[in-house]
Amino acid sequence: GNSVTQMEGPVTLSEEAFLTINCTYTATGYPSLFWYVQYPGEGLQLLLKATKADDKGSNKGFEATYRKETTSFHLEKGSVQVSDSAVYFCALQGGSEKLVFGKGTKLTVNP
Amino acid sequence: DTAVSQTPKYLVTQMGNDKSIKCEQNLGHDTMYWYKQDSKKFLKIMFSYNNKELIINETVPNRFSPKSPDKAHLNLHINSLELGDSAVYFCASSRLSTLTADTQYFGPGTRLTVL
Repeated sequence: GNSVTQMEGPVTLSEEAFLTINCTYTATGYPSLFWYVQYPGEGLQLLLKATKADDKGSNKGFEATYRKETTSFHLEKGSVQVSDSAVYFCALQGGSEKLVFGKGTKLTVNP
Repeated sequence: DTAVSQTPKYLVTQMGNDKSIKCEQNLGHDTMYWYKQDSKKFLKIMFSYNNKELIINETVPNRFSPKSPDKAHLNLHINSLELGDSAVYFCASSRLSTLTADTQYFGPGTRLTVL
């Protein structure tokens, strides 16, 4: 079945540092890929998505590129802020399948 | 305007009790979901309804029974609560059918604690 593996956290960075959260997937066919973010005490919200190979999703300074050759969708941001502290979930949905989430990566950004 | 709302936000109860969590969405979406998030933040789908019809029913104990009176509401009733049911339960909705790659909109969650 479909699955997502993302880097274990927690990740702690200083403000303005570069962020990468790795995500790789296993799926048949051509899944759509997502990053969701969960701020403290809130529900998840979509951060960005990509629906086909080589697509780049971007939002709020975050980017992720759908790499079919490496089955990856790594999340990056050039300069993190304290307000980016949250849990980040990589997810995929392929064909006629349900949405599958990774285990989440907690990011803490210190001033 | 709240897109996906859940009540209650917190629920503390004793083992063996029966409780319900309510969810409403005002987005006009056709599909609604229940997810369970455990203490390690792992998120797993429990149920999905499309236009009041059950689409996904994961291997969830029979003590959990969803009910969709209309496409804007999806409630979750839990019988004979157990310690292991303690978690955060999220409701979500999406415009399209469950089995399409559509953005899901999540509610704020209900933190259930079973004592």
